[in-house]
Amino acid sequence: GDSVTQMEGPVTLSEEAFLTINCTYTATGYPSLFWYVQYPGEGLQLLLKATKADDKGSNKGFEATYRKETTSFHLEKGSVQVSDSAVYFCALNTGFQKLVFGTGTRLLVSP
Amino acid sequence: GAGVSQSPSNKVTEKGKDVELRCDPISGHTALYWYRQRLGQGLEFLIYFQGNSAPDKSGLPSDRFSAERTGESVSTLTIQRTQQEDSAVYLCASSSRTSGRATDTQYFGPGTRLTVL
Repeated sequence: GDSVTQMEGPVTLSEEAFLTINCTYTATGYPSLFWYVQYPGEGLQLLLKATKADDKGSNKGFEATYRKETTSFHLEKGSVQVSDSAVYFCALNTGFQKLVFGTGTRLLVSP
Repeated sequence: GAGVSQSPSNKVTEKGKDVELRCDPISGHTALYWYRQRLGQGLEFLIYFQGNSAPDKSGLPSDRFSAERTGESVSTLTIQRTQQEDSAVYLCASSSRTSGRATDTQYFGPGTRLTVL
């Protein structure tokens, strides 16, 4: 079945460091790919998405490129801030309506 | 505009009791989803409603779980005879389903944290 694999956390970085959170997927068909973020005490929010191969999603300085050849959708940010501390979830949707989520990666950014 | 709302935000119950969780989707959204998030795990799909179509119940873990939705409005998730393994955060999401494809963005509510003692 469809699945998403994320790197385990926590990922601990200093402010202004470069961030990569790896995400790979297994899916039938051609899924859309999503990154959701959950800030402390808040609900799940869409961060970015890409709906076809080679698309790049971007938002708030975060980027992820849909790589069909490597079945990956890694999340990157050039310079993280303390306010980026959160749990990040990679997810896919193959059109059967449900989102399939990874287990989440906690990011901790220190000043 | 208002986002997805859920109530209660927290629910503590005793093993064996029934609980009802409520979700108010974004106005105009035809699709509604329920997910469960156990501690330290990703979200698990439970059930999906689209308009007046028959719901997709493929993610419900047992017959103790059921959900209803009237038209395109409020949904209620009911767990009967709760067990300790039902303890989790239950999340509701809605989407406009305008494209009818996998590209739709789902908007999530804040969740209901259920604790079964």
